[in-house]
Amino acid sequence: EVQLVESGGGLVKPGGSLRLSCAASGFTFSSYSMNWVRQAPGKGLEWVSSISSSSSYIYYADSVKGRFTISRDNAKNSLYLQMNSLRAEDTAVYYCARAGRPLPPYYFDYWGQGTLVTVSS
Amino acid sequence: QSVLTQPPSVSAAPGQKVTISCSGSSSNIGNNYVSWYQQLPGTAPKLLIYDNNKRPSGIPDRFSGSKSGTSATLGITGLQTGDEADYYCGTWDSSLSAGQVFGGGTKLTVL
Repeated sequence: EVQLVESGGGLVKPGGSLRLSCAASGFTFSSYSMNWVRQAPGKGLEWVSSISSSSSYIYYADSVKGRFTISRDNAKNSLYLQMNSLRAEDTAVYYCARAGRPLPPYYFDYWGQGTLVTVSS
Repeated sequence: QSVLTQPPSVSAAPGQKVTISCSGSSSNIGNNYVSWYQQLPGTAPKLLIYDNNKRPSGIPDRFSGSKSGTSATLGITGLQTGDEADYYCGTWDSSLSAGQVFGGGTKLTVL
């Protein structure tokens, strides 16, 4: 059974940093592109970032480019999102999602339960 | 403002059929596959349709997808109260700021 479990969310002050993790199991992690998608409270889905299986291809939404860094450790079956210079508008539930194909156009076939990030003073 | 345009809400009675539209442009829907997601209240999104009209294993054939030009449509037949959820379309945008884009979401109410 495919499982994606996010962790690392919490309350952080504007300008602060946070690192999210996603632990994957039930599939060959190193064979799949992975993604972060977020959802602000009461709002719709917003794609954040994607990383290919070998980290050769990385994409970011304009809203996070230069502030967020996606990475992965295939030996640990883990996906990460380093978030710096956080803003109030980054407040959201962050989902880890597996891509159903190796390169764009992606679709997301499995999702984690999400971890809440709150940016507030 | 989302890149893909969906109606904010749709409604229909149990047993009826409903369609949800998703409108985009040549840089996204017009040249890329569309996927659809269902988000039940308080849960993570779930893939319903990929590559415009394919259903993952376990998704009933009451759910269907289609695409024409720069628009896509999700159809749901035999509506059940358990179908009440938010539905999102998604695709890749190949413009200068390339990336995955989603519609704003459509709230389905089964009356």
